[in-house]
Amino acid sequence: GAVVSQHPSRVICKSGTSVKIECRSLDFQATTMFWYRQFPKKSLMLMATSNEGSKATYEQGVEKDKFLINHASLTLSTLTVTSAHPEDSSFYICSARDPGTSGSTDTQYFGPGTRLTVL
Amino acid sequence: TQLLEQSPQFLSIQEGENLTVYCNSSSVFSSLQWYRQEPGEGPVLLVTVVTGGEVKKLKRLTFQFGDARKDSSLHITAAQPGDTGLYLCAGRYNQGGKLIFGQGTELSVKP
Repeated sequence: GAVVSQHPSRVICKSGTSVKIECRSLDFQATTMFWYRQFPKKSLMLMATSNEGSKATYEQGVEKDKFLINHASLTLSTLTVTSAHPEDSSFYICSARDPGTSGSTDTQYFGPGTRLTVL
Repeated sequence: TQLLEQSPQFLSIQEGENLTVYCNSSSVFSSLQWYRQEPGEGPVLLVTVVTGGEVKKLKRLTFQFGDARKDSSLHITAAQPGDTGLYLCAGRYNQGGKLIFGQGTELSVKP
């Protein structure tokens, strides 16, 4: 299957600093990528949809100025957590949509996740 | 609001037992996907179903899509400790739409 990479896998930062997480689709072009947040033993919560070349669409309750998303190319999207606080500590997972070939169903592949700990 | 109900949320069984996880919605899916996730890792796609009544098998895992495309099930035969993990169903109500996740099923298979 398609591969989506995420970097870094773990990051620890001090409160008030900013952290950037990268998401790459390795063998397909993804016009759409997604950013999720996951709490322990819980399902994934969609934060925002990242569209290549345009502004991201944020879900209700997600602060766009705090979680900056950039999708500058068809294979790269970044999430920057600005002025991080301990409550931002979580597991962040990106996903990329592979549109597939004409007539087939698009499929979403997930990255390995980034564990963010804010001290 | 479109909801995707997944049950059970927790399941602890002995090695060799069978189990079924259910995923239900009041709306029709255009497609539905099942994922398995291990701690500290991202979800890994197991299967995508798109046709009502479709059945797909992956070794000891059998996935079924309801005739009306509103529900799906995952059946595991003779569960093994290696099957332990979080199983997630996720559906799309229209082609190109957002993927809506169920609550997840935390499966623990004890040797």
